Amino acid sequence: NAGVTQTPKFQVLKTGQSMTLQCAQDMNHEYMSWYRQDPGMGLRLIHYSVGAGITDQGEVPNGYNVSRSTTEDFPLRLLSAAPSQTSVYFCASRPQGGSGYTFGSGTRLTVV
Amino acid sequence: GESVGLHLPTLSVQEGDNSIINCAYSNSASDYFIWYKQESGKGPQFIIDIRSNMDKRQGQRVTVLLNKTVKHLSLQIAATQPGDSAVYFCAERTPGGKLIFGQGTELSVKP
Repeated sequence: NAGVTQTPKFQVLKTGQSMTLQCAQDMNHEYMSWYRQDPGMGLRLIHYSVGAGITDQGEVPNGYNVSRSTTEDFPLRLLSAAPSQTSVYFCASRPQGGSGYTFGSGTRLTVV
Repeated sequence: GESVGLHLPTLSVQEGDNSIINCAYSNSASDYFIWYKQESGKGPQFIIDIRSNMDKRQGQRVTVLLNKTVKHLSLQIAATQPGDSAVYFCAERTPGGKLIFGQGTELSVKP
């Protein structure tokens, strides 16, 4: 098992550009989530999904879109990047009967 | 709103001592509470969890205590080692499955 795979690991965007952060898991986990982590801060929930075709907003959803067309993939789309979206983004997944999420290694995004 | 907070942002301990990291939570309907360890440049790593109907759970060198009366959670690390140096986060799983994180405590272990 590769676990939770995030790509790219690093990305620099210009203000106004759009991009998609990829997240894939090979553990057949139903639940998947996206978090952002700013320097010296905790993780804040952006969006989450309880299964294919179902998504919901977290604490800080504005400026981000998600979709869950398959169990394995949960991409995060930045519609029009802003400097305030400079952060480290983590994707995570867990099985329906479990409590703890398995996290990917993160994508470090800088918006200039 | 939902929130999870920590009492201490930094904690420095001597190698071999026991460490206690505290956390306050606000959602009394949360069904799981989880501790994560995050090392520099890495994603959070699951340490231990506890269900809301329990008050204590032990793992290898770690113990989590849950006090629902005062909405308090703690992580105890026995015989702290330099490899335990990291940022520790508590998180609560709210109804509906959201996992909400607290701010984090940085644990520094002095040799």
